[in-house]
Amino acid sequence: GESVGLHLPTLSVQEGDNSIINCAYSNSASDYFIWYKQESGKGPQFIIDIRSNMDKRQGQRVTVLLNKTVKHLSLQIAATQPGDSAVYFCAEIHSGGYQKVTFGIGTKLQVIP
Amino acid sequence: IAGITQAPTSQILAAGRRMTLRCTQDMRHNAMYWYRQDLGLGLRLIHYSNTAGTTGKGEVPDGYSVSRANTDDFPLTLASAVPSQTSVYFCASSDGWGGTDTQYFGPGTRLTVL
Repeated sequence: GESVGLHLPTLSVQEGDNSIINCAYSNSASDYFIWYKQESGKGPQFIIDIRSNMDKRQGQRVTVLLNKTVKHLSLQIAATQPGDSAVYFCAEIHSGGYQKVTFGIGTKLQVIP
Repeated sequence: IAGITQAPTSQILAAGRRMTLRCTQDMRHNAMYWYRQDLGLGLRLIHYSNTAGTTGKGEVPDGYSVSRANTDDFPLTLASAVPSQTSVYFCASSDGWGGTDTQYFGPGTRLTVL
């Protein structure tokens, strides 16, 4: 999961296995959440989003789970591939839209071939 | 379609110098943003613009200014650079600013202030 510090948390996963990346968010009033993927030397890329009135949303090979009780968000990647190696971070948005978005620090996913 | 382009890719700058980071999008998005990304911290919003002709301050606006003369361009200016402005800068855009429209990011500018 994510934590404050100078070193990114790292998750190492064997190719083909499932990956679970966690995020703790801070504001119980946040009503929209996004997961981003950032490859080395590139800008963040939208992966999947979820609204606060949902607890699960699925995309292609990715699933986001939201637990509002404990303010926890997770990203599950099925059948992890080498191209999934990147930093993943969550973002929470509350009233104010993108002007009031809070980004997490990120978790580095390393896929072992 | 290029999406969002940023220039320069990287820059080393002497403290006290003026610098403008350029950002151009070709998606006709209404909203644009400037973020900085520092090790150990999440992306932090510097300035934003909900539509051409308007701008607003984000979380860390001090030492930076922006302008939005047209829809496509959103330059970020450091009037007098300081070492604490060493960072990677990302420009982003979205069709709407409410938060539910997908936000697209540029490739970033790596700035080092000595």
